[in-house]
Amino acid sequence: AQSVTQLGSHVSVSEGALVLLRCNYSSSVPPYLFWYVQYPNQGLQLLLKYTSAATLVKGINGFEAEFKKSETSFHLTKPSAHMSDAAEYFCAVSSWGSSYKLIFGSGTRLLVRP
Amino acid sequence: DAMVIQNPRYQVTQFGKPVTLSCSQTLNHNVMYWYQQKSSQAPKLLFHYYDKDFNNEADTPDNFQSRRPNTSFCFLDIRSPGLGDAAMYLCATSRATSANNEQFFGPGTRLTVL
Repeated sequence: AQSVTQLGSHVSVSEGALVLLRCNYSSSVPPYLFWYVQYPNQGLQLLLKYTSAATLVKGINGFEAEFKKSETSFHLTKPSAHMSDAAEYFCAVSSWGSSYKLIFGSGTRLLVRP
Repeated sequence: DAMVIQNPRYQVTQFGKPVTLSCSQTLNHNVMYWYQQKSSQAPKLLFHYYDKDFNNEADTPDNFQSRRPNTSFCFLDIRSPGLGDAAMYLCATSRATSANNEQFFGPGTRLTVL
C-alpha cells in the first residue's frame, strides 16, 4: 500500500526566508509524486510533479522539489518566501491500478510573516 | 482555456433537503472524481467515473450518489444532507492513461447545511 506523510501541519516563515515543506512517501513500486497548493476557498492547483525523468523538479511560482529515493522523501522548497505563498500545501502519491487515484498527505499550512 | 467548472460555488441547503452539485470539464478527460474536503483536512475521495464505469469508495455513505450523463458533465447528489455533510466538494478530472497524469481540480462548491 502507498502512503504519504507530511511533517508539520503548520510552518511559519518570514517573508524572504527559505520555505521547506516536508513529504515522505511509502511505496512498493516506483512512485509518481505531486505537490498541490490550495488557496482559501479554492480548488487544488498543481505545483509540480515527479515522474522519474529528473530527481530535481522545478514547478510554478519558484518552487522546486527533490526526489530522494534513499530517504523516501520529496520535500518542497522555495528560496525566498513571498506573502502570496501563504496557503495549504498537499503532497500526494499516485496509486497504481485503474484510474490512478491520488493518495494525499494531511497537508501543511504555510504562514508567511511580514 | 480548458478547465474544470463547478456550479454553484456556494450552496446552502436545509437538513434533509436533497441537493445536487454540478461539475463540467472542457479537457475531454475520461476520468472524473468527486472529493469531500472538511476544514483543515485533505480531500477525501468519494467516488470516481472511469469513462462510464462508476467506482465507489468503500467508506462513502449511501447518502451520496453520482451521475455522469456524458464525458463533460458529472453530478454529485446528496439525498438527505446532514449537518456533518457541510464541507467543500471538489471535482477533479484526469486523463488517467498513466500514473503520472495529474488531476485537474475545479474551484469547489462550499456546501452549508442549516
